[in-house]
Amino acid sequence: GAGVSQSPSNKVTEKGKDVELRCDPISGHTALYWYRQSLGQGLEFLIYFQGNSAPDKSGLPSDRFSAERTGGSVSTLTIQRTQQEDSAVYLCASSGRDRGLNYGYTFGSGTRLTVV
Amino acid sequence: GENVEQHPSTLSVQEGDSAVIKCTYSDSASNYFPWYKQELGKRPQLIIDIRSNVGEKKDQRIAVTLNKTAKHFSLHITETQPEDSAVYFCAASFSGGYNKLIFGAGTRLAVHP
Repeated sequence: GAGVSQSPSNKVTEKGKDVELRCDPISGHTALYWYRQSLGQGLEFLIYFQGNSAPDKSGLPSDRFSAERTGGSVSTLTIQRTQQEDSAVYLCASSGRDRGLNYGYTFGSGTRLTVV
Repeated sequence: GENVEQHPSTLSVQEGDSAVIKCTYSDSASNYFPWYKQELGKRPQLIIDIRSNVGEKKDQRIAVTLNKTAKHFSLHITETQPEDSAVYFCAASFSGGYNKLIFGAGTRLAVHP
């Protein structure tokens, strides 16, 4: 597609429920990232997928968080047993590489997750 | 560990003045340094980037400088306008040749008419 698509745009869930957030990257972009942005805060790295390599999961805050990327395209971020501190905007981004050089991310509009 | 520090956290200027935001990074292998602008309620958008093989890059009123020795890079906005008001994030690539970006905490810029 023309941009990075995320769904849903807003999600309100009860504490203890599981949620799934979806990201559809720009066609042809080999790298996909998930970041979390709490209200008025910066961008916290969660996980990174690059082609067929093993994902970099070093930013996941707990084992309640997991992510998959199927077929090198769409990714799903799953949060199990949600807690109130999980409330944030979850941003997905994708990027490509040209002749071995990185170039900048394109972000999606994010999913605003509210745990009540 | 991987770290990017950004200063100041808030910046207030008069329209027409210049604004400078500074960042330092910890990984000497970092080779890509983008800057993002995030307006209220919107997604971050790339405004300018610089690679480690150059020291300065300019795009109209925006410029970025890089000092690899000091592991320091800066964003310069000249002739600021009210529409420049936003949160600005610097970032640095980590993990060698990969494209993983670590972001600074952000600078909230307010340009007053």
